[in-house]
Amino acid sequence: DTGVSQNPRHKITKRGQNVTFRCDPISEHNRLYWYRQTLGQGPEFLTYFQNEAQLEKSRLLSDRFSAERPKGSFSTLEIQRTEQGDSAMYLCASSLAFTGESTDTQYFGPGTRLTVL
Amino acid sequence: AQRVTQPEKLLSVFKGAPVELKCNYSYSGSPELFWYVQYSRQRLQLLLRHISRESIKGFTADLNKGETSFHLKKPFAQEEDSAMYYCALRLGKAAGNKLTFGGGTRVLVKP
Repeated sequence: DTGVSQNPRHKITKRGQNVTFRCDPISEHNRLYWYRQTLGQGPEFLTYFQNEAQLEKSRLLSDRFSAERPKGSFSTLEIQRTEQGDSAMYLCASSLAFTGESTDTQYFGPGTRLTVL
Repeated sequence: AQRVTQPEKLLSVFKGAPVELKCNYSYSGSPELFWYVQYSRQRLQLLLRHISRESIKGFTADLNKGETSFHLKKPFAQEEDSAMYYCALRLGKAAGNKLTFGGGTRVLVKP
């Protein structure tokens, strides 16, 4: 499968624990996005990377959230001291964009569903 | 801040009937508009974008800047069109490349 992959697909944790999710983008895609989707809502933007640089962070991304893309390939999203309100589907997307182009298509992964008890 | 509104949570139509999903956005500039679709147990995927001006799977959508709308239409719905549909907006390169999504409309096409 050459699409965006995310691991794990499901994560159940207790409140206060730390969790880490991984996203593997489509090979050679230079942009990588994280979104969060709660029940009955559309995805909400969290952050995005161009290669290894984190270029934008949403105000939804509190200090407990951190994302990295150390080598410009896969990315991790860590949530520290999880809260019940963090329960959601976490989606990753990647795209290939060329300098000066603003019409890249974002390809989504299957998501990681987080449940905080 | 930009916002995307999809007023219908659920649209139920019979096979062969027309279907129209409404999408309104709030932004004073010239955004890019998209429709994404999520079929049962599948990932979110792009259906169409306004700059392409193409018909995908029989669906079309026209950007109306005066009414700030980007409604999705199909003249004859098929059962395989049953899915969750999301309208999304992107402000473009200068304002970042993130997508702002609406709340989604579930389409159910009955036989």
